[in-house]
Amino acid sequence: QVQLQESGPGLVKPSQTLSLTCIVSGGSIWSRGYYWSWLRQLPGKGLEYIGSIYHSGSPYYNPSLKSRVTISVDTSKNQFSLQLTSVTAADAAVYYCARPLRAAYRFDAFDIWGQGTMVAVSS
Amino acid sequence: EIVLTQSPGTLSLSPGERATLSCRASQSVSSTITSFAWYQQKPGQPPRLLIYGTSSRATGIPDRFSGSGSGTDFTLTISRLEPEDFAVYYCQQYGSSSTLTFGGGTKVEIK
Repeated sequence: QVQLQESGPGLVKPSQTLSLTCIVSGGSIWSRGYYWSWLRQLPGKGLEYIGSIYHSGSPYYNPSLKSRVTISVDTSKNQFSLQLTSVTAADAAVYYCARPLRAAYRFDAFDIWGQGTMVAVSS
Repeated sequence: EIVLTQSPGTLSLSPGERATLSCRASQSVSSTITSFAWYQQKPGQPPRLLIYGTSSRATGIPDRFSGSGSGTDFTLTISRLEPEDFAVYYCQQYGSSSTLTFGGGTKVEIK
């Protein structure tokens, strides 16, 4: 059973870069060609899709965040990462990594989620 | 971007009652008919997939949960509320060509 675990700093200063990693266990990040994804949940609000990356590269970003987001994959470590630049208080959220239900579908429902990591933005 | 509006914001019901949650999309996208999902979320936990493809139950989801809808209007029905069903529910569309979006959530609370 594939499991996901986010890791990274819980506090980032305004204008700096938020960096998170999602470690994939119980299966290879190469298997079946999934779009490994990042989402976030703003405090007391709904969910927002950030972007995703195919196991061989080829990231896709939400147009609303595209200018600040980079998603990369490290198959040797079975993990993928998120970088969000120039953060502000509006970026404080719980960040989740997730795997979609179906392989090779960039947009899909998500059946596997990490537990989430809370990131605060403050000087 | 397709905006999803969920109603009501809060639903106060008793165990054993029927819950009907609605989600309306700002535009109809032909693939949205089958590209619609529902999630349940409890405090401190990630969302749990309940329904995908508008009406298909995810693995392990009891049959008291059902999804329906077409065009711009979609519904999640919980036939008889169990104590563990009191949570926040989110809808999601993944039929758009540009991005996927979620609704703002409906909280189902104990009356």
